[in-house]
Amino acid sequence: EIVLTQSPATLSLSPGERATLSCRASQSVSSYLAWYQQKPGQAPRLLIYDASSRATGIPDRFSGSGSGTDFTLTISSLEPEDFAVYYCQQRYKLYSFGQGTKLEI
Amino acid sequence: QVQLVQSGAEVKKPGSSVKVSCKASGGTFSDYTFNWVRQAPGQGLEWMGRLVPLLDMPNYAEKFQGRATITADKSTGTAYLELNSLRSEDTAVYYCATYCTSSRCQIRYYIDVWGRGTTVTVSS
Repeated sequence: EIVLTQSPATLSLSPGERATLSCRASQSVSSYLAWYQQKPGQAPRLLIYDASSRATGIPDRFSGSGSGTDFTLTISSLEPEDFAVYYCQQRYKLYSFGQGTKLEI
Repeated sequence: QVQLVQSGAEVKKPGSSVKVSCKASGGTFSDYTFNWVRQAPGQGLEWMGRLVPLLDMPNYAEKFQGRATITADKSTGTAYLELNSLRSEDTAVYYCATYCTSSRCQIRYYIDVWGRGTTVTVSS
């Protein structure tokens, strides 16, 4: 089973700042990694797939990078609606999620 | 795009079983693989398993092997998750979620459609 470890657990920033979230895999997942955003009481929303491709309708302030075992989600300039929990997920070997990073004001 | 409608909330006793349903509409059933993801209160997302309806072949996360069963009824376009030997730690929201495998889809093999979730509470 592939374990994904996200850091930090909590990130405290302000609107307009840049956010950098990390995800590390216990073994290589090539580029088969996605990022999701989840707000309270809602289902997750796909933001990024294949490590760096934005899903439909996702603003270009969201970007993903990395391959192998180390991945990054960057939000270039935080909007108020971006404060949420973010999860990485791999599909290289079955599926698994990281434990999440809470992005808070 | 496919939409997923899940069954309603359940309250179960420890040791019992629960079966949650997920009806798909608005898409071609055979184009999708059905996943179940759960989220305990205040916790993260946990992938439980998936089923490719055409192959009728489920895969499970190690943790749920032997205790979870994922099935699908192609005639009604409905997927099911059954979880046995329930314990309090199984209290969670259970999401049905799909990814497309068809070449007709822009995004393949990444979960991008979710149901609203079914709350399962295990309590004596």
